[in-house]
Amino acid sequence: DAGVIQSPRHEVTEMGQEVTLRCKPISGHNSLFWYRQTMMRGLELLIYFNNNVPIDDSGMPEDRFSAKMPNASFSTLKIQPSEPRDSAVYFCASSDSNTGELFFGEGSRLTVL
Amino acid sequence: AQTVTQSQPEMSVQEAETVTLSCTYDTSESDYYLFWYKQPPSRQMILVIRQEAYKQQNATENRFSVNFQKAAKSFSLKISDSQLGDAAMYFCASETSGSRLTFGEGTQLTVNP
Repeated sequence: DAGVIQSPRHEVTEMGQEVTLRCKPISGHNSLFWYRQTMMRGLELLIYFNNNVPIDDSGMPEDRFSAKMPNASFSTLKIQPSEPRDSAVYFCASSDSNTGELFFGEGSRLTVL
Repeated sequence: AQTVTQSQPEMSVQEAETVTLSCTYDTSESDYYLFWYKQPPSRQMILVIRQEAYKQQNATENRFSVNFQKAAKSFSLKISDSQLGDAAMYFCASETSGSRLTFGEGTQLTVNP
């Protein structure tokens, strides 16, 4: 299996622009997670989906952030409008709920100028 | 809410020596999983070892082993015969329902030749 695939690997944008991060989970995994990693706050869970349904979005920082999972093989995390404080590495991860093990993508490093 | 605490921001070890990374957690769950993840400079999150709370036996994976003390809510990672490739940030994590992981702050491990 190719693992969890994220794109882009790096994104540099200007404040106010829309940013869309993409994720393809491992085939057969029924849970998908979006995490954000910063030096100040460490790894934070933003939102997670189970069987394509958002279960808990309490970690989403504000209304500028939104996430979708239209089907079992694709998810997006969108920030609109972006701000410099959104600069971070965003990880997507998927899991098979039977084992509890999380498999991470390589992350998308976002820099908002 | 679950909390995970890693009290050692940085650790160092000589190559071929043994090092132990500490982790404590707090959970109200009766059955749960605990994990150690490794994040090298490439930023990929890699699962090192997993412990199921209902199992008394400590998990081991080659040179990596844990000391799981359920009553004390302690979950330390021992790395034996340390290698240069072990240098990374190590995160302890506990699982809540639905495979959500709560991560500690991380311990930066340096391996000295």
